[in-house]
Amino acid sequence: AQSVSQHNHHVILSEAASLELGCNYSYGGTVNLFWYVQYPGQHLQLLLKYFSGDPLVKGIKGFEAEFIKSKFSFNLRKPSVQWSDTAEYFCAVNAQGNAGNMLTFGGGTRLMVKP
Amino acid sequence: ETGVTQTPRHLVMGMTNKKSLKCEQHLGHNAMYWYKQSAKKPLELMFVYSLEERVENNSVPSRFSPECPNSSHLFLHLHTLQPEDSALYLCASSQDTQVSYNEQFFGPGTRLTVL
Repeated sequence: AQSVSQHNHHVILSEAASLELGCNYSYGGTVNLFWYVQYPGQHLQLLLKYFSGDPLVKGIKGFEAEFIKSKFSFNLRKPSVQWSDTAEYFCAVNAQGNAGNMLTFGGGTRLMVKP
Repeated sequence: ETGVTQTPRHLVMGMTNKKSLKCEQHLGHNAMYWYKQSAKKPLELMFVYSLEERVENNSVPSRFSPECPNSSHLFLHLHTLQPEDSALYLCASSQDTQVSYNEQFFGPGTRLTVL
């Protein structure tokens, strides 16, 4: 079975600070990796995903994530955060080729950006 | 209406009540999902449907009964729930379940409180 760990439950940053949110997964096979974001009062939405190719993935709003297979990690980064990035961020994984497209989510990281 | 909608947005019920949650997707997708989001726990997959057939029942108690009459609608019928079932119930859809890296689109959720 897969599992996902997000070690930072709460992060508080000032605007313009750099962001890195950790995500580690446990699974022995080939995986797809996702970061979803939930802005206050809004739906969960996809930020970016990795399924093959370049391990450095660029998403919306200046976010990127790097898949490091040897470390079972898929950390999310942004060089300079804005107040509007205040949200909860979820890392998720599924096994490539799994029937049902079933996602396993991490516990989420709440990011607060102070203006 | 666009995307994934859920009704009701809030529901309070007693342990002996019977109620239903409704989800509708307007994206032409063939797969739909129910997730449970409890406080301080990761998002948990409950059920997966593909073309109205259940693909996965993730060891969910029988007091939760899903129904998928067509590829656009998904219900979650609730009966004799327990207070620990209080949570945010999220519906999602994706193009299908065959491509494991397909994005899932989420609804706003139903906030359920069981008294």
